[in-house]
Amino acid sequence: ETGVTQSPTHLIKTRGQQVTLRCSSQSGHNTVSWYQQALGQGPQFIFQYYREEENGRGNFPPRFSGLQFPNYSSELNVNALELDDSALYLCASSLAQGAYNEQFFGPGTRLTVL
Amino acid sequence: AQSVTQLDSQVPVFEEAPVELRCNYSSSVSVYLFWYVQYPNQGLQLLLKYLSGSTLVKGINGFEAEFNKSQTSFHLRKPSVHISDTAEYFCAVSYNNAGNMLTFGGGTRLMVKP
Repeated sequence: ETGVTQSPTHLIKTRGQQVTLRCSSQSGHNTVSWYQQALGQGPQFIFQYYREEENGRGNFPPRFSGLQFPNYSSELNVNALELDDSALYLCASSLAQGAYNEQFFGPGTRLTVL
Repeated sequence: AQSVTQLDSQVPVFEEAPVELRCNYSSSVSVYLFWYVQYPNQGLQLLLKYLSGSTLVKGINGFEAEFNKSQTSFHLRKPSVHISDTAEYFCAVSYNNAGNMLTFGGGTRLMVKP
């Protein structure tokens, strides 16, 4: 059984650019969540996708957007990058969206904005 | 707003000594509780979870945690730590009225010294 994978591992962008991060969910999982983890902090919820629809959003501006595809893989897009967007971006998948469903995390994508 | 507080940002401890990492959460609804571990440059790995039933939960690597509803706490313990337990530990809560979106604490860095 393949776990959650993310690409790329590392990424360097400059302020104002756009970035796309990718996530493949664990086999059989239909729910994907994205989290931002700034250096020295706990992860913060960005949004969740369930069966290709956005199913909840944290306190992030609209320039953070996402997609989920029919195979339940997902993308996180960030437009107009700011220095504070530098962080580890974590993707997590789960069997369903109920509160008791365990989330399985990928290794993350480290984004650096210069 | 719902929040999770990890009272200690760093906990230094000698090898083979016991350790307790503290976690408190705000709650007006049912919750599910999780502890994750993060090794340097890696994603999050689930240590243990409380969904229901016995308030004492056992996890991997010899860790256990106790759910205390009256004190809204979920402290993590290990009777004897190893050098390999050096890592960042995150307490997370899933609120029953918020799907399985996780709210994380700020993390506790466990530093095990020889």
